Amino acid sequence: DVKVTQSSRYLVKRTGEKVFLECVQDMDHENMFWYRQDPGLGLRLIYFSYDVKMKEKGDIPEGYSVSREKKERFSLILESASTNQTSMYLCASSSSGLPNTGELFFGEGSRLTVL
Amino acid sequence: GQQLNQSPQSMFIQEGEDVSMNCTSSSIFNTWLWYKQDPGEGPVLLIALYKAGELTSNGRLTAQFGITRKDSFLNISASIPSDVGIYFCAGQRRDFGNEKLTFGTGTRLTIIP
Repeated sequence: DVKVTQSSRYLVKRTGEKVFLECVQDMDHENMFWYRQDPGLGLRLIYFSYDVKMKEKGDIPEGYSVSREKKERFSLILESASTNQTSMYLCASSSSGLPNTGELFFGEGSRLTVL
Repeated sequence: GQQLNQSPQSMFIQEGEDVSMNCTSSSIFNTWLWYKQDPGEGPVLLIALYKAGELTSNGRLTAQFGITRKDSFLNISASIPSDVGIYFCAGQRRDFGNEKLTFGTGTRLTIIP
């Protein structure tokens, strides 16, 4: 069964702390994505990666960075957490191979609270 | 970045009722997808549409790719308790291999006992 695993389901951090959110997929997918989900705003793309060591900014990259050192792992980093980064974070992966359905496979999410 | 306008934002219905929701965009998409998120889980793909005017069914779900390529509709017939969750539309443009999806704001479906 295909799986995207996010390391922490719930985190509570203090303002100014550095936060790492880890995501691992076991499907050998080329593409990986980080979204944040907020009520009334849907899913907004933070960063994505089409290959190892490659990263592209999404729609809301400010305050975040990412790392993709291995194909199966994509990390989201909050260098200095702020209260407005309290949110649900969703990792997803997809294949670039054929047939290209556009389907994303999501993890269960990491709910981050910044105090 | 662009977001898709999805309506309604929330729905409160009784079991057995039919449900309709839609998504509109100011831009054209080549692919429309509908995802469902169960409470405490990540979204899961329900239906994918690849051609303007296409009508596709998956059990009690029916989705349509609008003829203008700027909108899509999802209908659920005879709702049951497990239909509860948040439904997201997503559009994709295949520009130079661009895989990015743009998501709607979501429709939260609640079934009243």
